[in-house]
Amino acid sequence: ELKVEQNPLFLSMQEGKNYTIYCNYSTTSDRLYWYRQDPGKSLESLFVLLSNGAVKQEGRLMASLDTKARLSTLHITAAVHDLSATYFCAVEETSGSRLTFGEGTQLTVNP
Amino acid sequence: DAGVIQSPRHEVTEMGQEVTLRCKPISGHNSLFWYRQTMMRGLELLIYFNNNVPIDDSGMPEDRFSAKMPNASFSTLKIQPSEPRDSAVYFCASSLWVSGTQHFGDGTRLSIL
Repeated sequence: ELKVEQNPLFLSMQEGKNYTIYCNYSTTSDRLYWYRQDPGKSLESLFVLLSNGAVKQEGRLMASLDTKARLSTLHITAAVHDLSATYFCAVEETSGSRLTFGEGTQLTVNP
Repeated sequence: DAGVIQSPRHEVTEMGQEVTLRCKPISGHNSLFWYRQTMMRGLELLIYFNNNVPIDDSGMPEDRFSAKMPNASFSTLKIQPSEPRDSAVYFCASSLWVSGTQHFGDGTRLSIL
């Protein structure tokens, strides 16, 4: 059974600082997704990482995938309050199968 | 383009009543997923369909829960009888294929009194 673990689960940071959220998974997979959920809202797709070494960036968020280490990172640069949300990673179990979601990292950016 | 449409957005009902949640996936998407989200258990996959066929219902908590997808544009999740512990936000999501990017609806916030 695929296990997807995120850490930290809770992150409080100051505006302007950098930080990284980690997503570890327990089986080989070449496809990983990052989602964002604002409080009381739905989940919104941020990034799709499709191969080892893949890197995607949008604004202050950058995601990368290391399939050998079974690890993805979501790096936040110079955080702003608008980034406060819960971030989920999701991993394809086997080729063509459903996604398994991590527990989510609740990020709070304080002014 | 219309996204995934769920109804109702909110439902408050008494214990023992039947609850039906509805979902219209994005046109052309072949896979549909039902999730439940609570503070205690996080996001849980209940069941998913591919080409209207249920593929994995191992996440359905018990026989009180049932889901159907009679055609490519409609799915229901039914709870009968409902219990207070079923209170949660229920999300429906659809994707082009099973492991594709899932697009989530706005969710149904269910409260069982």
